[in-house]
Amino acid sequence: NAGVTQTPKFQVLKTGQSMTLQCAQDMNHNSMYWYRQDPGMGLRLIYYSASEGTTDKGEVPNGYNVSRLNKREFSLRLESAAPSQTSVYFCASSEGRSNEKLFFGSGTQLSVL
Amino acid sequence: RKEVEQDPGPFNVPEGATVAFNCTYSNSASQSFFWYRQDCRKEPKLLMSVYSSGNEDGRFTAQLNRASQYISLLIRDSKLSDSATYLCVVTPSGGSYIPTFGRGTSLIVHP
Repeated sequence: NAGVTQTPKFQVLKTGQSMTLQCAQDMNHNSMYWYRQDPGMGLRLIYYSASEGTTDKGEVPNGYNVSRLNKREFSLRLESAAPSQTSVYFCASSEGRSNEKLFFGSGTQLSVL
Repeated sequence: RKEVEQDPGPFNVPEGATVAFNCTYSNSASQSFFWYRQDCRKEPKLLMSVYSSGNEDGRFTAQLNRASQYISLLIRDSKLSDSATYLCVVTPSGGSYIPTFGRGTSLIVHP
């Protein structure tokens, strides 16, 4: 019954530190996504993975890397955090067909000081 | 021009009111349309899909106008619990089916 599990829920970093956000889904979904949400900006796609073994850039990929470790897991890495990366991050998954809904993780509130 | 546009609001309405939101999209090849609801600091959750013929789910009615490239969400008999942000989502046909989100419309229902 877990759906999409995202960790951590909260994180505070200093400028220049690195970290990895973890995401796992147990619905056997093909596609996985990382979004960031800033006030007034809506959800913006950072990276996505249409299937295991593939990843592609979204609208705002700069400063991030991703790994689709297997079908279940899709991680997001910040190599050198910047204050501009302060945001709420959401992982999501779907079957990958156009009429399939997205399932979201509960989000990560990240602050970079 | 942003691919999916919404009036950010807020729409401030009394309980029992009827309220409607519109969402316009720029890609005429868009195939699938959805409304998501997002409560403060929580993840978005699917409210309803939007079908070509229009569809209803209780107090909620969604409609699609392909000619004018917009979708709408009508909420009747508003409840306090309807207070949230409503996100319009559009998915293109073919390719990798990447959904695009609007910035959301904030609804506040007051007693």
